Amino acid sequence: DTEVTQTPKHLVMGMTNKKSLKCEQHMGHRAMYWYKQKAKKPPELMFVYSYEKLSINESVPSRFSPECPNSSLLNLHLHALQPEDSALYLCASSHGQPNQPQHFGDGTRLSIL
Amino acid sequence: RKEVEQDPGPFNVPEGATVAFNCTYSNSASQSFFWYRQDCRKEPKLLMSVYSSGNEDGRFTAQLNRASQYISLLIRDSKLSDSATYLCVVNDMIKAAGNKLTFGGGTRVLVKP
Repeated sequence: DTEVTQTPKHLVMGMTNKKSLKCEQHMGHRAMYWYKQKAKKPPELMFVYSYEKLSINESVPSRFSPECPNSSLLNLHLHALQPEDSALYLCASSHGQPNQPQHFGDGTRLSIL
Repeated sequence: RKEVEQDPGPFNVPEGATVAFNCTYSNSASQSFFWYRQDCRKEPKLLMSVYSSGNEDGRFTAQLNRASQYISLLIRDSKLSDSATYLCVVNDMIKAAGNKLTFGGGTRVLVKP
């Protein structure tokens, strides 16, 4: 079982919908991450939160809006997505030190109609 | 040139055989390195960290060559369950911002009876 929990597991939404992806970890990690993964491609970093503050935004379109309510939770708010945004969205967390690995949740598989 | 490059494979490996593959990275200042495995439609799972002196975990051996900027993974006595995509991951500490993982494209390994 993964120690990083993501909900929902699957999400189908229309281009005009607003939805949110949720991620939770209870490992005391101080850094949390959102990645996007397309089929047969590696994960691509979207956002990094360090001590609950957004520290890296990899030029992600504004239709993706991250939020970190506290050190255990990370949300990704979705609005007006495009069909090309269909992908697996992965959340990860780590202690935040360079030699510490990131631990991934099992992802939300998102389909945009 | 990609930041992290891997042979995509697939490496077709007889059960019980040994397989090895490499990964090269472009940033000589990269600080830490990992191998993750990813099964089809699943999240990446940490296989092992890679240390400068080389390290072993059961049937898996990882090596790091900083001078030539490559990382290797060797799997001995391959099991059917070793079939997966192996992701080479490089961690760069972005000053005051956090860790940034860069993934290679993955090497697909198929272990056959």
